[in-house]
Amino acid sequence: DAGVTQSPTHLIKTRGQHVTLRCSPISGHKSVSWYQQVLGQGPQFIFQYYEKEERGRGNFPDRFSARQFPNYSSELNVNALLLGDSALYLCASSLGWQGATWEQYFGPGTRLTVT
Amino acid sequence: AQSVTQLGSHVSVSEGALVLLRCNYSSSVPPYLFWYVQYPNQGLQLLLKYTSAATLVKGINGFEAEFKKSETSFHLTKPSAHMSDAAEYFCAVRGSFGNEKLTFGTGTRLTIIP
Repeated sequence: DAGVTQSPTHLIKTRGQHVTLRCSPISGHKSVSWYQQVLGQGPQFIFQYYEKEERGRGNFPDRFSARQFPNYSSELNVNALLLGDSALYLCASSLGWQGATWEQYFGPGTRLTVT
Repeated sequence: AQSVTQLGSHVSVSEGALVLLRCNYSSSVPPYLFWYVQYPNQGLQLLLKYTSAATLVKGINGFEAEFKKSETSFHLTKPSAHMSDAAEYFCAVRGSFGNEKLTFGTGTRLTIIP
């Protein structure tokens, strides 16, 4: 079975630009979460979506937004990019409220570089 | 709020020696605890999880961890290190049912000495 997939793999943007990152969860998973991992640090929670509704939001500015589509895939959008937004963006999927496996499966991430 | 603290940002062990990576948690509710491994330029892979069942949890690749409430610890161990264990290891805590947010530690980079 295919795991969590993310696109693109790498991305280079200029300060002030906008970026959209995409994530496809494991088949059957209805929950998607986004994390930001700055070099040398642990991942930081950004958003969680379940059944197309936001169920959690981390301490990130309003420049960050996300949505989940009817097929449970998800997009993370970041506006007005700053140098500090350079990071590995990880997507994770899980069964969510359907099951108590408590496991989130992570994708390979999108490496965003802001210049 | 939940948090985890990983003691030691870098740990080096000889091949065949015991691996011990330390994690202490802070949680106002019964925690769910996880260990993840990250290889260079890759995402995170779940090693093992504690969800209030057995306090000694066995995971993949020969790793295990013991939940000790009295010490608020969830240390990761492996009896005999292998070269392929070299990676970054993250401890994470999750709150009660209904909240999927994982709070990660700062990570421990494990180096295996041949």
